[in-house]
Order: sequence, then structure tokens, then C-alpha cells
Amino acid sequence: LAKTTQPISMDSYEGQEVNITCSHNNIATNDYITWYQQFPSQGPRFIIQGYKTKVTNEVASLFIPADRKSSTLSLPRVSLSDTAVYYCLVGTNTDKLIFGTGTRLQVFP
Amino acid sequence: NAGVTQTPKFQVLKTGQSMTLQCAQDMNHNSMYWYRQDPGMGLRLIYYSASEGTTDKGEVPNGYNVSRLNKREFSLRLESAAPSQTSVYFCASSLARQVPYEQYFGPGTRLTVT
Repeated sequence: LAKTTQPISMDSYEGQEVNITCSHNNIATNDYITWYQQFPSQGPRFIIQGYKTKVTNEVASLFIPADRKSSTLSLPRVSLSDTAVYYCLVGTNTDKLIFGTGTRLQVFP
Repeated sequence: NAGVTQTPKFQVLKTGQSMTLQCAQDMNHNSMYWYRQDPGMGLRLIYYSASEGTTDKGEVPNGYNVSRLNKREFSLRLESAAPSQTSVYFCASSLARQVPYEQYFGPGTRLTVT
């Protein structure tokens, strides 16, 4: 199982870009990198997923270097509503994904 | 399209009581999961069902049983509740067990065992 390491918490201000880096040194060849967002008292919500290089959708970008030993979730121009916990997960089968404690992002006005 | 629904939303049990948490999805997903989340912690997988008719243990299965009633429904049963099972329980589903298929989570059941 690929273990991940991400910062426990981060602070930002509205309008700034936030980059959350996740380290996964023992990622396997077939593993994907998936990020989920969780608001208080809600279930996690899928944000973005990638295998290599860069992936972008309407809410975030995911940067994955060639060695795939880390990845960076980029949230452009955050707002107060982006205050949440962000989980980085690495694996091939969903039942083997480990959520960990995630990164608690606090956005200030 | 309701996604993943869970009942009840809240429950208080006394030690030794039993209960069943219900979960249903209307997305025609094959795989379903039960997680628990303790305060300040990430989610831990209790049981999962890769497809209708199959169930498998996750990371923390002790004290729980599950039933994949049909393709839509996946229930979690606590036979004899213990205070250590006080937690928030999330049900999730995905089209398939493989990772490229994202999980959709329900709103959770907040369970307190006294």
C-alpha cells in the first residue's frame, strides 16, 4: 500500500492560490492519485484524480512530476467556502485506499 | 437522482443494544462501502462489497456485519454496540472497485453509544 504524507494544516486568504503537496514515495506502477474534499458534518467529495503529468478540471489542478513520488493539488483563488479537509489517496483499488488525517485548509477573509 | 442515502441521520444506543444502518444508492453502482470516522481522524474502511452478492472485510471489521441486500442497498449491523463504536458512519458507492472510478459518499450517520 502506498503511504502518503501531507501537511496537517494550511492557512490562506481569500483570492489566493493554494497548493497542497502530498508525498507518496512508494507509489506503485498502476496506482492513481486521487484527492477528496470533506466539509464538516459531510461525507468526502471527489475533487480530482490523475496518473501522471497535469490534470485540470473546473475546481482544481493536479500536478504530478515524472517520478510520481509526489503530487500537488492546486486550488486557484480560494474562497471561504474552500475551508475543508483535503485528502490525498494513492492506490489501484478503492478498498485499499487510506484516507489518513488529511490537510485542514482554513481560508480567512 | 438522490445519490447515496443513509438512515438514520442520528442514533443513540445503550451498550449492548443492536441496530442496523441502512444505505442505498440510485446510480447503478456495483461497489459499495462502509466507513467510520472518529473525531479528528480520517475515514477507516469497515466492510465493502465489490459487487452484488459479495462482501469483504476492510481495515476495522470487528463488531460489525454487513448485508448486500441487492444492487442498491448495503446495510451495516452492530450486534452488540460498545462505546468504542461511537463514531460517524459513512456509506459510499462507486461504479467499480478499481480506482479510476470515484466514490460517492452519503451524508453520514452519527452514532453515540453510552
